[in-house]
Amino acid sequence: QVQLVQSGAEVKKPGASVKVSCKASGYSFTDYEINWVRQANGQGLEWMGWMNVNSGNTGYAQKFHGRITMTRDTSISAAYMELSGLRSDDTAVYYCARGLRRPEYWGQGTLVTVSS
Amino acid sequence: QSALTQPASVSGSPGQSITISCTGTSSDIGDYNYVSWYQQHPGKAPKLLIYDVTYRPSGVSSRFSGSKSGNTASLTISGLQPADEADYYCSSFRNSGLWVFGGGTKLTVL
Repeated sequence: QVQLVQSGAEVKKPGASVKVSCKASGYSFTDYEINWVRQANGQGLEWMGWMNVNSGNTGYAQKFHGRITMTRDTSISAAYMELSGLRSDDTAVYYCARGLRRPEYWGQGTLVTVSS
Repeated sequence: QSALTQPASVSGSPGQSITISCTGTSSDIGDYNYVSWYQQHPGKAPKLLIYDVTYRPSGVSSRFSGSKSGNTASLTISGLQPADEADYYCSSFRNSGLWVFGGGTKLTVL
């Protein structure tokens, strides 16, 4: 069955970077895009960007330009989202999801806490 | 990148039908049939209910249906059940090549 398993919770200081992983199984990794969505506590969903896993091409929401990098390692079916220059308002649960038009499968979420 | 506009809350009684609207612009909902709807229960990942405006993934109840008119998409839930109480989000593709979510709607089943 299709599964996306994300890395564990992180606590970071302001200004630091965080790299969240999303390991896929149960399907051909390069056949689907991966996109990243975050959700601050009690807030709505926020789309961050996407990656064409086959080509490595990416598209990022303007809000995150210059701070976000999405990569993948096709040899182990893993996608990564790195966010730099962390601020307190980056504290959120970060999700990966398979596909753009039809994101049926989601990771379990990774809580990133930014605190001094 | 402003979000799509959804009502903050809607409510209904068991067995009733409700509709949640999602208003965008001619740069997103109005120009593309790439609208999705999600259900999210507290502490859980979002669940895809509708994609490409009207299509349901396998396993999603036929009580959930989607539509679009102009710049506004809608999610209708018929035969409301207590388990439908959750947050609902719409999303759409935008002509910038990116995606955007609505602010979310809290559904209360009275």
